[in-house]
Amino acid sequence: GQQLNQSPQSMFIQEGEDVSMNCTSSSIFNTWLWYKQDPGEGPVLLIALYKAGELTSNGRLTAQFGITRKDSFLNISASIPSDVGIYFCAGQEFNQAGTALIFGKGTTLSVSS
Amino acid sequence: GAGVSQSPSNKVTEKGKDVELRCDPISGHTALYWYRQRLGQGLEFLIYFQGNSAPDKSGLPSDRFSAERTGESVSTLTIQRTQQEDSAVYLCASSFGGTLYGYTFGSGTRLTVV
Repeated sequence: GQQLNQSPQSMFIQEGEDVSMNCTSSSIFNTWLWYKQDPGEGPVLLIALYKAGELTSNGRLTAQFGITRKDSFLNISASIPSDVGIYFCAGQEFNQAGTALIFGKGTTLSVSS
Repeated sequence: GAGVSQSPSNKVTEKGKDVELRCDPISGHTALYWYRQRLGQGLEFLIYFQGNSAPDKSGLPSDRFSAERTGESVSTLTIQRTQQEDSAVYLCASSFGGTLYGYTFGSGTRLTVV
């Protein structure tokens, strides 16, 4: 089935640094979402994107729906220790309404203070 | 309830035994999803319910896995004759209106088969 390629797999950064991660697909998507998972918890929705080219912010987080509709990125500015966790991209393929979201394999973020 | 509730939170079972995992979705959410997360891996889709029907069961890995939903509410994922490779966190999510609004996940059931 469809796979999402999420990179990087892991990141180790210093508090205050900016972070960028991205996700690509082999087919066109009509929805991109970004989730964060804390240890022992389920993923929590951070940002949802619905239109090609859309740029959306949520506090220090900014995400964009790529123009080609085959990619998305998430930026975190001025990272803090509580940003630690696993970030997942997820999306739904074009013309696949009614199907479940496809998830990437996640980016594990570690922040040292 | 206010969120998606899953039980048990942890389950250790012997190889070959059957297990049932329960999910209580957010009240009024018509769609319910089951995913599996192996250690260090992403979320693997298992099955999706719209109401009490399952239009997509394509992710169930074998006929040992089954799920049902009743009253457009509670769902149970059953794994028969568990194997060690079934060890994972099983996550349930619900949504109102499909994927358009994203999913709300429960905290998962961590299953360990020994």
